[in-house]
Amino acid sequence: GDSVTQMEGPVTLSEEAFLTINCTYTATGYPSLFWYVQYPGEGLQLLLKATKADDKGSNKGFEATYRKETTSFHLEKGSVQVSDSAVYFCALHQYNQGGKLIFGQGTELSVKP
Amino acid sequence: NAGVTQTPKFRVLKTGQSMTLLCAQDMNHEYMYWYRQDPGMGLRLIHYSVGEGTTAKGEVPDGYNVSRLKKQNFLLGLESAAPSQTSVYFCASSLGQGASKNIQYFGAGTRLSVL
Repeated sequence: GDSVTQMEGPVTLSEEAFLTINCTYTATGYPSLFWYVQYPGEGLQLLLKATKADDKGSNKGFEATYRKETTSFHLEKGSVQVSDSAVYFCALHQYNQGGKLIFGQGTELSVKP
Repeated sequence: NAGVTQTPKFRVLKTGQSMTLLCAQDMNHEYMYWYRQDPGMGLRLIHYSVGEGTTAKGEVPDGYNVSRLKKQNFLLGLESAAPSQTSVYFCASSLGQGASKNIQYFGAGTRLSVL
């Protein structure tokens, strides 16, 4: 079945460092791909989305490109801030079961000043 | 901008007790979902609804029931709580399934402990 695999955390970076969080997926067809962010004590917020191969989603300095050849959707940011500390989830949309999202296990990011 | 609102935020139950979690959305979304979040496992779908009066099972439906009597509300019930149902519960909603409609908006979550 469809699945999403993320790099394990926690990831600890210094402020202004470059961030990459790896995400690979297994799916039939070409599902929409998402990155959600969860700040401490809060729900999930959409960070960015891509709907087809070679699409690049971007928001708040974060970017991810839908790579069909490598079935990947890696999240990147050129210069992280302390306020980026959160848990990041990669997800794909599946048309079965009402369009549920299939999530990776989440990657915790901690940014130190 | 309320979006998706969940009540309560926290609850502690004893084994065998029952409770209902309420989810309300003000975005006129057709689709609504209940997920549970467990450590190291991401979120898993419990039940979903594709419109008022409809409900269907997700990946992990056992021990839960749902109802969608009004379009804006989606209720999740635990008839006889078990410790395995200790989790954080998230409600979400979306316009639909197409690429322009499939963004899901999440509530802040309900943290449930079953002793």
